[in-house]
Amino acid sequence: DAGITQSPRHKVTETGTPVTLRCHQTENHRYMYWYRQDPGHGLRLIHYSYGVKDTDKGEVSDGYSVSRSKTEDFLLTLESATSSQTSVYFCAISDSSKSPLHFGNGTRLTVT
Amino acid sequence: AQSVTQPDIHITVSEGASLELRCNYSYGATPYLFWYVQSPGQGLQLLLKYFSGDTLVQGIKGFEAEFKRSQSSFNLRKPSVHWSDAAEYFCAVVRNQAGTALIFGKGTTLSVSS
Repeated sequence: DAGITQSPRHKVTETGTPVTLRCHQTENHRYMYWYRQDPGHGLRLIHYSYGVKDTDKGEVSDGYSVSRSKTEDFLLTLESATSSQTSVYFCAISDSSKSPLHFGNGTRLTVT
Repeated sequence: AQSVTQPDIHITVSEGASLELRCNYSYGATPYLFWYVQSPGQGLQLLLKYFSGDTLVQGIKGFEAEFKRSQSSFNLRKPSVHWSDAAEYFCAVVRNQAGTALIFGKGTTLSVSS
């Protein structure tokens, strides 16, 4: 398996609190992605990065921000968590935009 | 903007029967196309991909997919389904352009009956 670690694996937080999810890779891949998975919606792209400090918005970026200060880490921050952000969050990596993605094991986030 | 449509939310197939999962994409040029599978509680695994060339591509686990430009489709097929194929299947597309990202369809859940 590709070296991707997501932390935490599970988190419960209260509405209005900030939350940061971390994705760490050991593959030195250029591209990193954050998706959320919800029943009936499949995987939806939140943000992605195509290099250090190079990021772009995805389909559902409102309420989320990202940072990538070094190749191996891609952080996803929920600035003020809402119940609608309860979801499973997947990080993925690839070495180019057309390469297959390698996925992390996911983070299950519950916002109460 | 590119988009992916999987018209079937849920399909049930008898074990041993053939399978076809539909995928349509919206994009002006030929994109790169993928099929992924997700078993319950698991992450996503790549089944196959299409970039260019032969429009019939072979993947893992006996799956194949055919790219049809005229129909903007990339349907996934398997001649004989096994009970272990029960999972959720996702079609995905990315533009042929650096700095872009993969967009997924909403998925099709496959159930296999005995």
